[in-house]
Amino acid sequence: EVQLVESGGGLVQPGRSLRLSCAASGFTFDDYAMHWVRQAPGKGLEWVSGISWNSDYIGYAASVKGRFTISRDNAKNSLYLQMNSLRAEDMALYYCSKGSRATVTNPYFDYWGQGTLVTVSS
Amino acid sequence: EIVLTQSPGTLSLSPGERATLSCRASQSVSSNYLAWYLQKPGQAPRLLIYDASSRATGIPDRFSGSGSGTDFTLTISRLEPEDFAVYYCQQCGSSPWTFGQGTKVEIK
Repeated sequence: EVQLVESGGGLVQPGRSLRLSCAASGFTFDDYAMHWVRQAPGKGLEWVSGISWNSDYIGYAASVKGRFTISRDNAKNSLYLQMNSLRAEDMALYYCSKGSRATVTNPYFDYWGQGTLVTVSS
Repeated sequence: EIVLTQSPGTLSLSPGERATLSCRASQSVSSNYLAWYLQKPGQAPRLLIYDASSRATGIPDRFSGSGSGTDFTLTISRLEPEDFAVYYCQQCGSSPWTFGQGTKVEIK
């Protein structure tokens, strides 16, 4: 059974940093790209970032480029999102999602974690 | 960026009825790289349909997808109680990968 468990969310002041983690199990982690998708309270879904199976290819949404960094550790079956210079508009539930392919291109998100909540407020 | 517009915003139907949800793209979605997801309150989204018309693993055949280019449709042939939720379309033909704003299917 595929399991994705996010952690690291919490309350943070604007301008500060936070690092999210995602522990994956139930599939061959280094066969697939992984992604972060977020959902602001009461709002829709927004793709944030994706990373290929071997970390060679990485993509970001324009709204987070230059502030967020995605990474993965295949030896630990883990995905990360380093979030710097956080803004009020970054407040959301952040989902870790398994991509349908090894590459970051043309991804479907076929498994999702339950999300970790990031609250940005002074 | 491709903007996906879903309609209607809310669909009020009874169990057993047929639901038809629309997703229109601001430009053509290459290779019909279009997916549909279902999200129940307090839960993560679940992949239903990919490549516009292929059902994901374990998805019952009352769910079907169709369309091409800029116009796509999700049809639920007979609504079951567990189908009342929010549905999102998503395109992955052109980065950034984008989602529609959602259609809520509620019990009438």
